[in-house]
Amino acid sequence: GQQLNQSPQSMFIQEGEDVSMNCTSSSIFNTWLWYKQEPGEGPVLLIALYKAGELTSNGRLTAQFGITRKDSFLNISASIPSDVGIYFCAGGGLGNLIFGKGTKLSVKP
Amino acid sequence: GAVVSQHPSRVICKSGTSVKIECRSLDFQATTMFWYRQFPKQSLMLMATSNEGSKATYEQGVEKDKFLINHASLTLSTLTVTSAHPEDSSFYICSAGDSGGASDTQYFGPGTRLTVL
Repeated sequence: GQQLNQSPQSMFIQEGEDVSMNCTSSSIFNTWLWYKQEPGEGPVLLIALYKAGELTSNGRLTAQFGITRKDSFLNISASIPSDVGIYFCAGGGLGNLIFGKGTKLSVKP
Repeated sequence: GAVVSQHPSRVICKSGTSVKIECRSLDFQATTMFWYRQFPKQSLMLMATSNEGSKATYEQGVEKDKFLINHASLTLSTLTVTSAHPEDSSFYICSAGDSGGASDTQYFGPGTRLTVL
């Protein structure tokens, strides 16, 4: 079945640093989504990408839909303590979503 | 916009009882809703896809007689865990697809923490 490889698994960074995480797949997706999940909560949609090559920003977050439709990255600039959480990528295109295993972000003040 | 609620947020029950979890899309209509289960420190595992007015589609390995899903309206889907056992303890999350928007975008509820004693 379709699988997503999300990396890194975890990151420990200093407040103010930039963060980059990515997802790759051997399959093509028509949609790439990035979610953030905090403990005890459901995932919250950060950015949705619908077109190959698309680059979209949401505040300090920027994500791109890879031109091959097999990958996507998420960048967070000037991280702050409230960026802490688990970030999931998800690829769509067949009516459901395939999720990456998540990147756990820790930010040291 | 695109708000999904879940109720209850937390439930503790005795083994053998049934528990119903509600998922509502508050400001949009959802032709399709999804039910996920999440174990600690793991990603989301899709249990079933719920389509309004028709039977749910279950993922391989998910018992449809144990996890009953009803999607009676465009804004409400329910998951009933029947005869719950301790191994059913988990974090259950629903999501809804916006039938008016891009079909693959899902908006998640806040989750329900089920503890079976």
